[in-house]
Amino acid sequence: GQSLEQPSEVTAVEGAIVQINCTYQTSGFYGLSWYQQHDGGAPTFLSYNGLDGLEETGRFSSFLSRSDSYGYLLLQELQMKDSASYFCAVKGGGADGLTFGKGTHLIIQP
Amino acid sequence: ETGVTQSPTHLIKTRGQQVTLRCSSQSGHNTVSWYQQALGQGPQFIFQYYREEENGRGNFPPRFSGLQFPNYSSELNVNALELDDSALYLCASSSPDSYGYTFGSGTRLTVV
Repeated sequence: GQSLEQPSEVTAVEGAIVQINCTYQTSGFYGLSWYQQHDGGAPTFLSYNGLDGLEETGRFSSFLSRSDSYGYLLLQELQMKDSASYFCAVKGGGADGLTFGKGTHLIIQP
Repeated sequence: ETGVTQSPTHLIKTRGQQVTLRCSSQSGHNTVSWYQQALGQGPQFIFQYYREEENGRGNFPPRFSGLQFPNYSSELNVNALELDDSALYLCASSSPDSYGYTFGSGTRLTVV
C-alpha cells in the first residue's frame, strides 16, 4: 500500500516564505507531485519531482529526497490568493492512479 | 485547450439508486481517471481508462464502473448508492508526455 503524511494546516504571513513537508511510504514510486485546490475548485497541478533535487517554477519550488522518502513544496512571496489546500501525491507505477495525502490547508494572514 | 469539463455539477440521489457522471477530457489527452474526494480529505483513485479499456483500479467495489468513448470522454456509474458515496467526484485527464493531470471541477454527489 501507499501512504503520505503532510501537516493538516500551516499559517503564514503575506510576502513570507512557507514550506509544506510530505513524507511517503510506497510499494512503488514513480515520482512526487503537488497539487493546489481552492475551496470548491479543481485540483491544479503545480510540480513534479521524479529525481532527487529541487524543481523551480516561478514562486513555487519542490524538492525530493528518494532515500528519505521525503519531499516539500516551497512557496515564496506569499500572496492572499495562495490560500488553498495543497496535496502531495505519488504514483505507484504503470496504470496506478495517484495516491494523495490528506492535504495541507494554507492560511495566509495579511 | 478546453480543459476538463464535468456534468452535472451537483446531484442529489436517494440511497439504492444509480447515478451516471460524465467527463470530457482535455484535447489531446487519451487517459482519463476518476477520483472520489470526501470532505476534508485528499482525492482517492477509483479507476483509470486508456483507449477505452480500464487499465487500473483503486480500492473501490464493482458497483463503481465506467466507460471511455472513442473521443476519450468518460462516464462513471455507481449502482446501489450508499450514504457514504456522498462526495466530490473528480475526473482527470492526462497524456503520455506529461507528468501532470488536468482535473475537472467535479460533481458534488449527495446521497440521502
